[in-house]
Amino acid sequence: EAQVTQNPRYLITVTGKKLTVTCSQNMNHEYMSWYRQDPGLGLRQIYYSMNVEVTDKGDVPEGYKVSRKEKRNFPLILESPSPNQTSLYFCASSGGGSVYGYTFGSGTRLTVV
Amino acid sequence: AQSVTQLGSHVSVSEGALVLLRCNYSSSVPPYLFWYVQYPNQGLQLLLKYTTGATLVKGINGFEAEFKKSETSFHLTKPSAHMSDAAEYFCAVSDQSNYQLIWGAGTKLIIKP
Repeated sequence: EAQVTQNPRYLITVTGKKLTVTCSQNMNHEYMSWYRQDPGLGLRQIYYSMNVEVTDKGDVPEGYKVSRKEKRNFPLILESPSPNQTSLYFCASSGGGSVYGYTFGSGTRLTVV
Repeated sequence: AQSVTQLGSHVSVSEGALVLLRCNYSSSVPPYLFWYVQYPNQGLQLLLKYTTGATLVKGINGFEAEFKKSETSFHLTKPSAHMSDAAEYFCAVSDQSNYQLIWGAGTKLIIKP
């Protein structure tokens, strides 16, 4: 089944403790992206990647890192999480541009205390 | 800069009534336009899209949307609401690269029995 898999689904952590949210897709898509979703703010892009070793900042990249060493994986790293990074995070991928649609993961609900 | 405006963060309709969710965009060139749906505790999935050709596009679950260039609108409609339509709906427009999407803030559709 074609899908984007995110792990974990839920995560509670403490301020300053480094964490990684994994994202993997099995569709050989070139494009991958991370979003955060907050009430009333919709989806805001954190980082995106057009292909292996090619990443770029989105609208809200502060406090986040990404890497794209393999085509299928695009992990999101929070080096020193803070409470304002408490949010619902989504990974998405696309093969060939937005016209083909994005495939989204099921989301990761992160709480930083 | 491109932007997407969804009128109403919450829309409430009775079961069996017409559903109308409004989306207006700003773009200097003809865009690609999308509606995505997010059911509770799930990721987003593509509902329908306009790229070229016929301006009335049909999507899944009986939804359709009409691209009106003169009004810069792409409103989503469904003739008769079902309880299962309760979800959050996002309108999006492609940017010039046609890889990135500009998102609206979302409209939560509430269905009353």
